[in-house]
Amino acid sequence: AQSVTQPDIHITVSEGASLELRCNYSYGATPYLFWYVQSPGQGLQLLLKYFSGDTLVQGIKGFEAEFKRSQSSFNLRKPSVHWSDAAEYFCAVVDQTGANNLFFGTGTRLTVIP
Amino acid sequence: DAMVIQNPRYQVTQFGKPVTLSCSQTLNHNVMYWYQQKSSQAPKLLFHYYDKDFNNEADTPDNFQSRRPNTSFCFLDIRSPGLGDAAMYLCATSRALGGYGYTFGSGTRLTVV
Repeated sequence: AQSVTQPDIHITVSEGASLELRCNYSYGATPYLFWYVQSPGQGLQLLLKYFSGDTLVQGIKGFEAEFKRSQSSFNLRKPSVHWSDAAEYFCAVVDQTGANNLFFGTGTRLTVIP
Repeated sequence: DAMVIQNPRYQVTQFGKPVTLSCSQTLNHNVMYWYQQKSSQAPKLLFHYYDKDFNNEADTPDNFQSRRPNTSFCFLDIRSPGLGDAAMYLCATSRALGGYGYTFGSGTRLTVV
């Protein structure tokens, strides 16, 4: 089955600083990849997704992600973080070897300090 | 607005007492999913319905069941909740399988006492 790994459990950045959250996937062919954000006690909101085509994907709230096949990565970036970006971020992949369901990484908690 | 609604937002149940969580959607999506998310963990897929076809993940305990009486509603039944079943339960919908356009509800937080 396909999977994604998020190596960073918790990241702290200063407001206004740039952000990069890491995600690595395991799949030989082109994976379908997603980034979701979850605020405390809330459901999941889709930030962006990659299926094919341009490897730099623009999402909502000023986020972008770059698909790099050579590194099996799909890292999420934002040039300037706002305090409201503090949340849990999940990378996810569609398991194309199974029933095409969506499976999540373990998440990265983002803390933003003034 | 079209959406996915989960009721209740918070549910407290007694150890061993059956409990049902509810999910409804106004999106007319074909697929409905239930995910379990324990504290500080990733959401874990329990099962999904594609229309009336039920698909159980291999490692979903028998204690968890689901019903989808119509397109709009899907229920999660926990027959005998244990302390380890305390979690946030997330419902999601999509038009088709393959990760396209998942819409998540706000979740039901289940506490077992």
